Amino acid sequence: EDQVTQSPEALRLQEGESSSLNCSYTVSGLRGLFWYRQDPGKGPEFLFTLYSAGEEKEKERLKATLTKKESFLHITAPKPEDSATYLCAVQSLLEYGNKLVFGAGTILRVKS
Amino acid sequence: DTEVTQTPKHLVMGMTNKKSLKCEQHMGHRAMYWYKQKAKKPPELMFVYSYEKLSINESVPSRFSPECPNSSLLNLHLHALQPEDSALYLCASSQQGAGGYTFGSGTRLTVV
Repeated sequence: EDQVTQSPEALRLQEGESSSLNCSYTVSGLRGLFWYRQDPGKGPEFLFTLYSAGEEKEKERLKATLTKKESFLHITAPKPEDSATYLCAVQSLLEYGNKLVFGAGTILRVKS
Repeated sequence: DTEVTQTPKHLVMGMTNKKSLKCEQHMGHRAMYWYKQKAKKPPELMFVYSYEKLSINESVPSRFSPECPNSSLLNLHLHALQPEDSALYLCASSQQGAGGYTFGSGTRLTVV
């Protein structure tokens, strides 16, 4: 069964204090690993897709990396507006479609 | 147009009511999804439509009835819901077989 585990569950940072979020996964037939940001009461907002080990993608203060078993979301010099829940998900291809399975998320709070 | 639009944003319904949630996208995506998200939990897949045909039903109770009238629209018909069905209902779409999912902002459903 496809499984995604994120750590830590919650993370408190001071503004400017860099850190990383972890996403470990087991999936049969990985079609892609996704990072989303979700603000309270809103739908997930797409950040990155990674397809193969060694791949890296960057967007402003965020950088996502992928190995064969896990992915990291590195946050450099975070600001209070980066506070949100960060969700990792894997896409697996099924016989009749594809499916996105989410981890429980990491709640990030950045204090000024 | 790169959005998924969901209506209504909020819905309060009694256990004997019948209501419908609506979702619309104009990105030419041929796969559409319904997810359910409880507070402080990740989104959970309910249904997948591929080329307007139901391809995945994740053992969802029959009081939830999905419908895909055309390639741009997705409905979720609700009948005889229970209070535990209160949640954020998210619609998403994607290119068939690959690529990221675009989520709508969700419908906050409260069953009283």
